[in-house]
Amino acid sequence: KAGVTQTPRYLIKTRGQQVTLSCSPISGHRSVSWYQQTPGQGLQFLFEYFSETQRNKGNFPGRFSGRQFSNSRSEMNVSTLELGDSALYLCASSPDETQYFGPGTRLLVL
Amino acid sequence: DAKTTQPNSMESNEEEPVHLPCNHSTISGTDYIHWYRQLPSQGPEYVIHGLTSNVNNRMASLAIAEDRKSSTLILHRATLRDAAVYYCILGDINRDDKIIFGKGTRLHILP
Repeated sequence: KAGVTQTPRYLIKTRGQQVTLSCSPISGHRSVSWYQQTPGQGLQFLFEYFSETQRNKGNFPGRFSGRQFSNSRSEMNVSTLELGDSALYLCASSPDETQYFGPGTRLLVL
Repeated sequence: DAKTTQPNSMESNEEEPVHLPCNHSTISGTDYIHWYRQLPSQGPEYVIHGLTSNVNNRMASLAIAEDRKSSTLILHRATLRDAAVYYCILGDINRDDKIIFGKGTRLHILP
């Protein structure tokens, strides 16, 4: 089976812009979670989607949003980008209690 | 806050066993204990998980204390490719709560 794929792999944006990141889960996995990883804060949970519904949410401002489509593919959006949003954004899909992570999208905000 | 406590870093010699400890004193009865590792420039990778009994797979073994308040990930014969950050996390069996990653343990393997 193909693993979790994330696009794009690298992205450079400027402050105030918005960005959309995409995640394609492993076939058959209905749960998709998103994480932000920075050197200072480590891996932080953003949100989880299951069957197109947000099941859990982390402590991030409303500028961070996501959605899941009927084929389980997921997108996350960050509006009004700030310098502090520079990070590696990881997506993980799950068939059960185990998560399978993608390679991440590295976002740089200038 | 993370529900688990791990040492910041550990060192081990190549080809020797490694025991990575994790404390989770507030674990609930419905929490699985998961271990993931993250190699440089990669996303985290699943290693092993368990609920109450010790578990073995091709990558590692997981020893869970009888009271479930601590666990140990055992790499039986460390190689240089095992150098990574190892995360011990708790995940509710019913997926009712978000998963919180701590800082993990950075494992250095000495040749």
